[in-house]
Amino acid sequence: NAGVMQNPRHLVRRRGQEARLRCSPMKGHSHVYWYRQLPEEGLKFMVYLQKENIIDESGMPKERFSAEFPKEGPSILRIQQVVRGDSAAYFCASSPAKISGNTIYFGEGSWLTVV
Amino acid sequence: GESVGLHLPTLSVQEGDNSIINCAYSNSASDYFIWYKQESGKGPQFIIDIRSNMDKRQGQRVTVLLNKTVKHLSLQIAATQPGDSAVYFCAENPGQAAGNKLTFGGGTRVLVKP
Repeated sequence: NAGVMQNPRHLVRRRGQEARLRCSPMKGHSHVYWYRQLPEEGLKFMVYLQKENIIDESGMPKERFSAEFPKEGPSILRIQQVVRGDSAAYFCASSPAKISGNTIYFGEGSWLTVV
Repeated sequence: GESVGLHLPTLSVQEGDNSIINCAYSNSASDYFIWYKQESGKGPQFIIDIRSNMDKRQGQRVTVLLNKTVKHLSLQIAATQPGDSAVYFCAENPGQAAGNKLTFGGGTRVLVKP
């Protein structure tokens, strides 16, 4: 997990507020993935981004969720008007442009609690 | 496969014994299969992977077996230690052409008894 930095590690939001989760990939990695994990479940793919491009957002809810990976700075996962069901752990992973099975590295996650 | 809304299956093992964790996968076209270990409050940590053209791969104290006929993957941990207590997930990687989009299994909790 060394190198993929996520913040905040823990975030509490009231229903209706916005949550912003940040991910800085490992040095030299140009690909970022976001996954969501509900309690007692596996991780579910949300979105795959490269610098300034969303490559695959098939796992993103259609409303309220958005992601970006700008040319400069971290990738941001943004959740607008949060609801209790958004409470989960959100993990970011990064990889270099060409990867094999063991070169996707995960961060330590951001735990979102909606009250 | 994935469990939805269910408690994780738990494997209790005596310290020093061997552990075997099983996983059924769904996509026969997956390029890689990966085992991750997740400790409480942390992110998934890579343990070992196996390419689809292999049936066995060994690491330090761990062995992964792949049976493509029945779409089954297993992780064997030799001489299980207290530090092995965690949740273990298998994941399928469909490969570069499919965006390396990992699909995770439902996970197994391993509890090591001293």
